[in-house]
Amino acid sequence: KAGVTQTPRYLIKTRGQQVTLSCSPISGHRSVSWYQQTPGQGLQFLFEYFSETQRNKGNFPGRFSGRQFSNSRSEMNVSTLELGDSALYLCASSFGQGGNEKLFFGSGTQLSVL
Amino acid sequence: AQSVTQLDSQVPVFEEAPVELRCNYSSSVSVYLFWYVQYPNQGLQLLLKYLSGSTLVKGINGFEAEFNKSQTSFHLRKPSVHISDTAEYFCAVTRSNAGGTSYGKLTFGQGTILTVHP
Repeated sequence: KAGVTQTPRYLIKTRGQQVTLSCSPISGHRSVSWYQQTPGQGLQFLFEYFSETQRNKGNFPGRFSGRQFSNSRSEMNVSTLELGDSALYLCASSFGQGGNEKLFFGSGTQLSVL
Repeated sequence: AQSVTQLDSQVPVFEEAPVELRCNYSSSVSVYLFWYVQYPNQGLQLLLKYLSGSTLVKGINGFEAEFNKSQTSFHLRKPSVHISDTAEYFCAVTRSNAGGTSYGKLTFGQGTILTVHP
């Protein structure tokens, strides 16, 4: 069974640009969550999608958005990039039935903003 | 809201020695607790979780953790570590189901880097 797949693995952008990251969950999983990981702030929850609807949201500015498609694949978009957006972005999938579920994480997309 | 404090940012230990990674949490509601491990250039992998019942939880790779409600702690232990255990370990918490607001949303500690020396 394939794991959670994130593309691209690495990305370099400049300030002011926008970026789209992709996440394909494990087959059968309907929930996809996104996290930002930085050395200073650690792991922070961005948002969670279930059946194409955003079900939960963290404390990030509106420049961070996402969506989920009918096949459960999810994309995350960051507009007007800032230097502080440089981070490892991780997505995680699960069946989405409750907080006691195990999250399966992808290897992440390393975003560098110059 | 929940918060998690991992008391040690780095823990060096020799191979075959025991190790304890400390985690304290704060929450006004009941929670589920997790330990995840992250190897270099990889995502996170679940080691173990506490949902309810026995306060001693056993996980993969010989790790175990003990939930202490009075001390709001969830320390991770391993009696004998291997070189391959070198990684970063994260304690995480989510509120136990309350209208589904916890779905997919974990609050993580800052992480503890475990380095096992030969």
